[in-house]
Amino acid sequence: DGGITQSPKYLFRKEGQNVTLSCEQNLNHDAMYWYRQDPGQGLRLIYYSQIVNDFQKGDIAEGYSVSREKKESFPLTVTSAQKNPTAFYLCASSSSRTGGREQYFGPGTRLTVT
Amino acid sequence: GENVEQHPSTLSVQEGDSAVIKCTYSDSASNYFPWYKQELGKRPQLIIDIRSNVGEKKDQRIAVTLNKTAKHFSLHITETQPEDSAVYFCAARAGNMLTFGGGTRLMVKP
Repeated sequence: DGGITQSPKYLFRKEGQNVTLSCEQNLNHDAMYWYRQDPGQGLRLIYYSQIVNDFQKGDIAEGYSVSREKKESFPLTVTSAQKNPTAFYLCASSSSRTGGREQYFGPGTRLTVT
Repeated sequence: GENVEQHPSTLSVQEGDSAVIKCTYSDSASNYFPWYKQELGKRPQLIIDIRSNVGEKKDQRIAVTLNKTAKHFSLHITETQPEDSAVYFCAARAGNMLTFGGGTRLMVKP
């Protein structure tokens, strides 16, 4: 299960606090993605980045922020502006050599905000 | 943007039977259609994919078909086994983004 890692596996925060989720990959992939998964639902794209120092909003970017200072790292900050932050967060990466098609997922971080 | 609908949301089959999951998409520019399997508490993993220039692809017990005209694609699992029990997601790619369906929970009863 190497290649793309997320930490921590479980995260608990109080409402009103910002929290940063880690995502690291050693696959030399150019593109990285953040998805949110709610119970019984599909994956919804929060942000993605095709290259270092550049990123684009996905379908549900409000209340989230990202940075891409290094190729290997794409941290996600869940801000206090996110109305319903409790969810399972998945990071993924893909290689431009395959046309960016296949996305490899990390193990996920389950965030609970009370 | 792209919209992907997936049906059914749950599917229960007897071991050895076939299972079919269907997806429709809205953006005619979509050109890549992967299927992911997610076991409970684990990461999604790619099980098969198909590109828009191909109508069908098969890998052992798994096959995917694509009808570009109708904008739908399907996953077929034959001779189902208990270890096939999981949530399956279809997705469609237009540009740089994958849009996922809502998922199908497949239960294979021994």
